[in-house]
Amino acid sequence: AQSVTQPDIHITVSEGASLELRCNYSYGATPYLFWYVQSPGQGLQLLLKYFSGDTLVQGIKGFEAEFKRSQSSFNLRKPSVHWSDAAEYFCAVGPYSGGGADGLTFGKGTHLIIQP
Amino acid sequence: EPEVTQTPSHQVTQMGQEVILRCVPISNHLYFYWYRQILGQKVEFLVSFYNNEISEKSEIFDDQFSVERPDGSNFTLKIRSTKLEDSAMYFCASSVGSETQYFGPGTRLLVL
Repeated sequence: AQSVTQPDIHITVSEGASLELRCNYSYGATPYLFWYVQSPGQGLQLLLKYFSGDTLVQGIKGFEAEFKRSQSSFNLRKPSVHWSDAAEYFCAVGPYSGGGADGLTFGKGTHLIIQP
Repeated sequence: EPEVTQTPSHQVTQMGQEVILRCVPISNHLYFYWYRQILGQKVEFLVSFYNNEISEKSEIFDDQFSVERPDGSNFTLKIRSTKLEDSAMYFCASSVGSETQYFGPGTRLLVL
């Protein structure tokens, strides 16, 4: 069964500093990988996704993520964070089924705090 | 930009009561999903729905849960007899194919 590990429950970063959120997955085949963000009281907004091809993917709000098959990782990065980036970040994996409607498996999330 | 919408945003109910959570998926999407997030825990998949029938379901989705697409726009999750442990945020999602799922804002359910 697939699983997702986000080892950092909380991360505090100063505004303007760079950010990296870690995500490791366990899945036997080629996965679909996603990062979602959840602001307080809001739903889950898709930041970016990886299906195949270029292992460095660009997303919205200046975020990017790099798929490293050898490390089973899909870490999220941003070169300079803004106070509005404070939120909960979820990594998720979906099976490459080629059809069907399989559910995503989520990590437990990383709570990002931005210091002024 | 089209969005998934959910109603109500909050629901408080008594244990043993039935609740229906409503979702309007993005109009050209074909796959529909329900997830839940118990406070402080991860988002968990409940069920997916395609072509007017359940496609996949998790072990959480037991006989007290049911889903329905009563018309061309709504997608509902019914909990027949609510328990205290059903208190959670419930998210609806939809997708064109089996890939990118777009989530609604959620319904926070509190069972007393």
